[in-house]
Amino acid sequence: NAGVTQTPKFQVLKTGQSMTLQCAQDMNHEYMSWYRQDPGMGLRLIHYSVGAGITDQGEVPNGYNVSRSTTEDFPLRLLSAAPSQTSVYFCASSYSGAPYEQYFGPGTRLTVT
Amino acid sequence: EDQVTQSPEALRLQEGESSSLNCSYTVSGLRGLFWYRQDPGKGPEFLFTLYSAGEEKEKERLKATLTKKESFLHITAPKPEDSATYLCAVQAGIPGAGSYQLTFGKGTKLSVIP
Repeated sequence: NAGVTQTPKFQVLKTGQSMTLQCAQDMNHEYMSWYRQDPGMGLRLIHYSVGAGITDQGEVPNGYNVSRSTTEDFPLRLLSAAPSQTSVYFCASSYSGAPYEQYFGPGTRLTVT
Repeated sequence: EDQVTQSPEALRLQEGESSSLNCSYTVSGLRGLFWYRQDPGKGPEFLFTLYSAGEEKEKERLKATLTKKESFLHITAPKPEDSATYLCAVQAGIPGAGSYQLTFGKGTKLSVIP
């Protein structure tokens, strides 16, 4: 099992550029989510999905888009990058139902200049 | 609004010096409290889930406990390899779509000096 994988590991964008952060899991988890982690702010939820075809917004969704066409993949799209989106992004997955633990990927460090 | 507060923000211990990290929470309908360990440049690594007041879980030198208002992560005779940031998170609300959201504290950075 690879668990939760994320690509790329590092990315530098210019303001206004768009890009997609990739996330995949091989544990057959229904629930997947994206968080951003900023110094002094903790982990904050961006978007989440409870299954293929179902997505919803978290605490900080503005400027981000998601879709879930398969159980395994949950990409995060930045539509027009802004310096405020400089952060470390983590994807996580878990079984749905009971409060199961979420498993995190290794993260993508994004810098927007 | 769910709130999670961790203290202290940073803790330096000598190797072998036991201590505790605190996580206090304010939520409506706690469903689970989670402890994670995060090493620099890595994603959070799951440690424990606690579901109800009075519950305790242990793993090697770590022991997590839960009351109705807070959780403690006790570290017994820590070693340098225990140095990391420890994160606490809560999951609350009515079961159903959207109720798997985790609310995280800001973490406690633990340094264990040889």
